[in-house]
Amino acid sequence: SQQGEEDPQALSIQEGENATMNCSYKTSINNLQWYRQNSGRGLVHLILIRSNEREKHSGRLRVTLDTSKKSSSLLITASRAADTASYFCATVPDIIQGAQKLVFGQGTRLTINP
Amino acid sequence: NAGVTQTPKFRVLKTGQSMTLLCAQDMNHEYMYWYRQDPGMGLRLIHYSVGEGTTAKGEVPDGYNVSRLKKQNFLLGLESAAPSQTSVYFCASSYSGRGSYGYTFGSGTRLTVV
Repeated sequence: SQQGEEDPQALSIQEGENATMNCSYKTSINNLQWYRQNSGRGLVHLILIRSNEREKHSGRLRVTLDTSKKSSSLLITASRAADTASYFCATVPDIIQGAQKLVFGQGTRLTINP
Repeated sequence: NAGVTQTPKFRVLKTGQSMTLLCAQDMNHEYMYWYRQDPGMGLRLIHYSVGEGTTAKGEVPDGYNVSRLKKQNFLLGLESAAPSQTSVYFCASSYSGRGSYGYTFGSGTRLTVV
């Protein structure tokens, strides 16, 4: 069963604009992570936010987490053509023997138009 | 800077054939994972390992077996391939220190069962 649901499923914007993707999940979490996947490639870890954090920044990325609403958002500012990819949120419901079993959503397909 | 290496990258199997997918990591990570990615389904956890000699079932383990004889390698086996196992398979590893860490993914194995 999937924990997270991304919204929108697809997003197309002009280069230079900001892109916002949302993720909702169902159960309590230890942390939430965002990944990027370029077409035909593996996933790349972007950012991790813990359940006791509300906001985190990394370069042009800003992630927020609202545990009361069980939701998170990823904002990419000043988008570039190279940001074209699929973005996945992944939750860690719990940590067993130290292992974080990530539960992925279905992803948002982001297209940046030149 | 190899990270996580998966072999092979592509494979076509006939129904009933067997094969082994190899995952190797050079980061001394304790935890390793196998996921499958299907269109519209996101990534789903097949099996994982919390250390050398240990394995555990994930969300969709049926039809697969795994082994972790060496810390750096995690093998995924299909004993009798079925068309439903057509998918892209990703291996990932993660650090085991205190705190939460993201995964490092391999580039994937595209498997087609005919």
